[in-house]
Amino acid sequence: NAGVTQTPKFQVLKTGQSMTLQCAQDMNHEYMSWYRQDPGMGLRLIHYSVGAGITDQGEVPNGYNVSRSTTEDFPLRLLSAAPSQTSVYFCASSSGQFNQPQHFGDGTRLSIL
Amino acid sequence: KQEVTQIPAALSVPEGENLVLNCSFTDSAIYNLQWFRQDPGKGLTSLLLIQSSQREQTSGRLNASLDKSSGRSTLYIAASQPGDSATYLCAVSASGSARQLTFGSGTQLTVLP
Repeated sequence: NAGVTQTPKFQVLKTGQSMTLQCAQDMNHEYMSWYRQDPGMGLRLIHYSVGAGITDQGEVPNGYNVSRSTTEDFPLRLLSAAPSQTSVYFCASSSGQFNQPQHFGDGTRLSIL
Repeated sequence: KQEVTQIPAALSVPEGENLVLNCSFTDSAIYNLQWFRQDPGKGLTSLLLIQSSQREQTSGRLNASLDKSSGRSTLYIAASQPGDSATYLCAVSASGSARQLTFGSGTQLTVLP
């Protein structure tokens, strides 16, 4: 099984550009989420989804959009990139049962110039 | 707002030593606590998950304890090896949102051969 797959692994954008970070999981997990990781800080939740068609905001949602049209995919969209969005982005998934560990992708390293 | 603290930020030990990593959290109303390992340039790997009703969990050379009332958890690594070198992250989920994690900033562990 591939687990959680994130693409691209690296990306450089200019301020004001838009892009979509892709996340796919093949474990039929209901729950998916996006986090960002900045130096010296823990991961912070951006958006999450408890199933297809259902999304909600996390701690730091401004500047990001998400949608969940299928169980497998949960893309994260940057509408107008800003230097403050330079970060490493992680996608995670877990099953519908509570007290199950979350599975993380390898991350997308994004630089905004 | 839940805050998770991990001290020290970095730790260097000789191979074979037993060691303890610390995690503290401000709100004791948690659903579970997880310890993750992160290797450079990689995603997070779940090591241990402790439910709020549990006191500890063990996996191989790893033992994690939880004292919910005092807001503390420890990760004990026995007989450390160079392959244990990584960043260890602690994360808690709140009772009302069991899959939304609040992370500490991690402890970077180096085990010297």
